[in-house]
Amino acid sequence: EAGVTQFPSHSVIEKGQTVTLRCDPISGHDNLYWYRRVMGKEIKFLLHFVKESKQDESGMPNNRFLAERTGGTYSTLKVQPAELEDSGVYFCASSPSRGFTEAFFGQGTRLTVV
Amino acid sequence: RKEVEQDPGPFNVPEGATVAFNCTYSNSASQSFFWYRQDCRKEPKLLMSVYSSGNEDGRFTAQLNRASQYISLLIRDSKLSDSATYLCVVNGGGSYIPTFGRGTSLIVHP
Repeated sequence: EAGVTQFPSHSVIEKGQTVTLRCDPISGHDNLYWYRRVMGKEIKFLLHFVKESKQDESGMPNNRFLAERTGGTYSTLKVQPAELEDSGVYFCASSPSRGFTEAFFGQGTRLTVV
Repeated sequence: RKEVEQDPGPFNVPEGATVAFNCTYSNSASQSFFWYRQDCRKEPKLLMSVYSSGNEDGRFTAQLNRASQYISLLIRDSKLSDSATYLCVVNGGGSYIPTFGRGTSLIVHP
């Protein structure tokens, strides 16, 4: 069975540009989470989808971040325009239940804004 | 006070040693607890869930102390391959936002 996959694995962009990250969850997992780890800090929650609906987006830093999950399958996270402080590793996780039980992470996208 | 707190370490132990980590949480209504392991530049991977009665998986034992609001992870007979960062995750308490601790770094040396 395929795990959670994220694309791209690395992205280097200039400040002010736009980047779109993609996450393909494990098939059948209704719950999809986006997290971010900034260097030296803990992994921080960004938002949670249940199927195509945003269950909680309280962790989104500001309106430069837009997440979608059309059709309840894969999800995208767009940063527009990117700022230097957006650099970090963006992880996606999926789980079959809301309780985070049996949650699996993708390998992450390492975003560097220069 | 942070929602989930861990001693960042590093814990530097010889092979074969027993080592224990604690993780404290602030929300008394939290309902589910997990230990994840993260290797350098890799994604977090579930090590084990933590049940109220405590649970064991081989050399790893996890316990929950609700009264004092902490969970623990005990690793017996440490192996070199146990070297990693161990992340505490706490969920529930009015929301379904799994909250991560900063992680505890373990280094097992020969």
